[in-house]
Amino acid sequence: DGGITQSPKYLFRKEGQNVTLSCEQNLNHDAMYWYRQDPGQGLRLIYYSQIVNDFQKGDIAEGYSVSREKKESFPLTVTSAQKNPTAFYLCASSIGVGEAFFGQGTRLTVV
Amino acid sequence: GENVEQHPSTLSVQEGDSAVIKCTYSDSASNYFPWYKQELGKRPQLIIDIRSNVGEKKDQRIAVTLNKTAKHFSLHITETQPEDSAVYFCAASLANAGGTSYGKLTFGQGTILTVHP
Repeated sequence: DGGITQSPKYLFRKEGQNVTLSCEQNLNHDAMYWYRQDPGQGLRLIYYSQIVNDFQKGDIAEGYSVSREKKESFPLTVTSAQKNPTAFYLCASSIGVGEAFFGQGTRLTVV
Repeated sequence: GENVEQHPSTLSVQEGDSAVIKCTYSDSASNYFPWYKQELGKRPQLIIDIRSNVGEKKDQRIAVTLNKTAKHFSLHITETQPEDSAVYFCAASLANAGGTSYGKLTFGQGTILTVHP
């Protein structure tokens, strides 16, 4: 069953703690993306990667970090430097410029 | 960088009416324009897309039009049904002539469409 899988579905972070969101795809897509979704603000790009071992900052990269060591995996770390991390995080992948396939999302809450 | 503006932010229609959502983009080099539908608590899914070498594309009750000169594109839904209720996002991106290179996909702010029975 091909697709893109995010885990966990819900995540709670304490103040000052780093957390990592997982994103795995078996679609053999080169490009992967992380978006943050807040109410009324649509999808904002955090980081994107076009190829293994390479990634670029999106529009709101501050306080986040990523790695792309494998084609299938693009984990996102929300660091303590991100002051307002509570949001819905969506990972996506695409082949070339075409349909982006999204994961089910991770809802991160600061407690 | 690219900036995509989407209007209206909310749209309420009666079942059977048409719905139109409009987007403008800033980068004249953008040439790929998808529309995504996101139902409550679910992932966004592509419903239709258009490339800049065409002006209009239709798929059953949905259609997208593109005006490259004015840098705007629109989603048209005819004969709306309650199951069309969702958040709709437009986006813009850039592909090379072969469609193999890719840049970031920039989204609009979203439109909450409500179709009343």
